[in-house]
Amino acid sequence: ILNVEQSPQSLHVQEGDSTNFTCSFPSSNFYALHWYRWETAKSPEALFVMTLNGDEKKKGRISATLNTKEGYSYLYIKGSQPEDSATYLCAFPNSGYSTLTFGKGTMLLVSP
Amino acid sequence: EPEVTQTPSHQVTQMGQEVILRCVPISNHLYFYWYRQILGQKVEFLVSFYNNEISEKSEIFDDQFSVERPDGSNFTLKIRSTKLEDSAMYFCASYGRDTQYFGPGTRLTVL
Repeated sequence: ILNVEQSPQSLHVQEGDSTNFTCSFPSSNFYALHWYRWETAKSPEALFVMTLNGDEKKKGRISATLNTKEGYSYLYIKGSQPEDSATYLCAFPNSGYSTLTFGKGTMLLVSP
Repeated sequence: EPEVTQTPSHQVTQMGQEVILRCVPISNHLYFYWYRQILGQKVEFLVSFYNNEISEKSEIFDDQFSVERPDGSNFTLKIRSTKLEDSAMYFCASYGRDTQYFGPGTRLTVL
């Protein structure tokens, strides 16, 4: 059974704060690491697919890094806005098309 | 932008009843999945489907569950005799461009 862990479980920041959270995953047999943003009543939205050790990807104010040797990925949000409030999920596949094993998510609340 | 859609958004049923949850995956995708999230727990995999057959299933996906792609666009999950513990958010997903694209989910409540 794959173990994907995320921390913290929840985070409450003020508008303008920068924040980051962690996903840890098995470092052996690494294929890829997915990040999703899930707002209530909406579809989980794919943010990043990280595949190479040392990868850094960016989408607007959100970026992610990957360390496959030690088995972790960080997600950073620069200058958080209320619309960033969501649950951020990371997920680990066994192979390209295979099932995703999810972490429990980090629930982010950004107050104006 | 193409998206995965699911109906209904919320289904309430009595224990022992059959439910069918419906999904329309993105049209040129070939791999399809069902996941569920029981409140407060992780999103967990149920089943994957490719080329009109199940390619992988979890221990949760027992004989009470079945999947079908009846008409080339819809992808359904049937629970034959619902139990209280089947109450969860059920997500459909399809695979394309290196990632899985999720629908908004169906919240199933079993009373």
